[in-house]
Amino acid sequence: QQQVKQSPQSLIVQKGGISIINCAYENTAFDYFPWYQQFPGKGPALLIAIRPDVSEKKEGRFTISFNKSAKQFSLHIMDSQPGDSATYFCAASNGSEKLVFGKGTKLTVNP
Amino acid sequence: NAGVTQTPKFRILKIGQSMTLQCAQDMNHNYMYWYRQDPGMGLKLIYYSVGAGITDKGEVPNGYNVSRSTTEDFPLRLELAAPSQTSVYFCASSYQGQGIGTQYFGPGTRLLVL
Repeated sequence: QQQVKQSPQSLIVQKGGISIINCAYENTAFDYFPWYQQFPGKGPALLIAIRPDVSEKKEGRFTISFNKSAKQFSLHIMDSQPGDSATYFCAASNGSEKLVFGKGTKLTVNP
Repeated sequence: NAGVTQTPKFRILKIGQSMTLQCAQDMNHNYMYWYRQDPGMGLKLIYYSVGAGITDKGEVPNGYNVSRSTTEDFPLRLELAAPSQTSVYFCASSYQGQGIGTQYFGPGTRLLVL
């Protein structure tokens, strides 16, 4: 199956808190798992990505955790800031030309 | 580099009209894509291209057509517009070998069909 299931649909976090967005997939052939960030009125932009040979990847306040056996991966935003308020999409690719996207999570960080 | 550019930014169409959404990239990327984004539904792939002269259908191709005569341009054609085509359309490109998942998106075209 090509589906990627993302949750929650929306998330409200206080400034300084931790934001956690989860994704699950079925296709064990997926080997590339990026996260995209989209601000209102803009196109999505690559935020961070991971391949299944590692369980975690960190870039600044953003961390991807990957659980291959559970077929799940998640995005953690530490010390969340109002500027992080955006819609976040997880995605997966199996080495073909196409990405499969989750339905997105709208994150609101309150000051 | 301008990256991926799209025109127009916004358009209102009447049912049955046709239009072409323009997309261009200046990064010499082989791969180009068209997505539509509907509220709460994520991004759905309409068509994609792996190089000039080569196109293929994505998940939701009905009602759309594409062509790829150059590496830089990938226009999307809407024939006989329907209200179901009201959406935000994004064009994207990627460079073969950099990781298939690294797609660069344009700013989008908002289309309203009435």
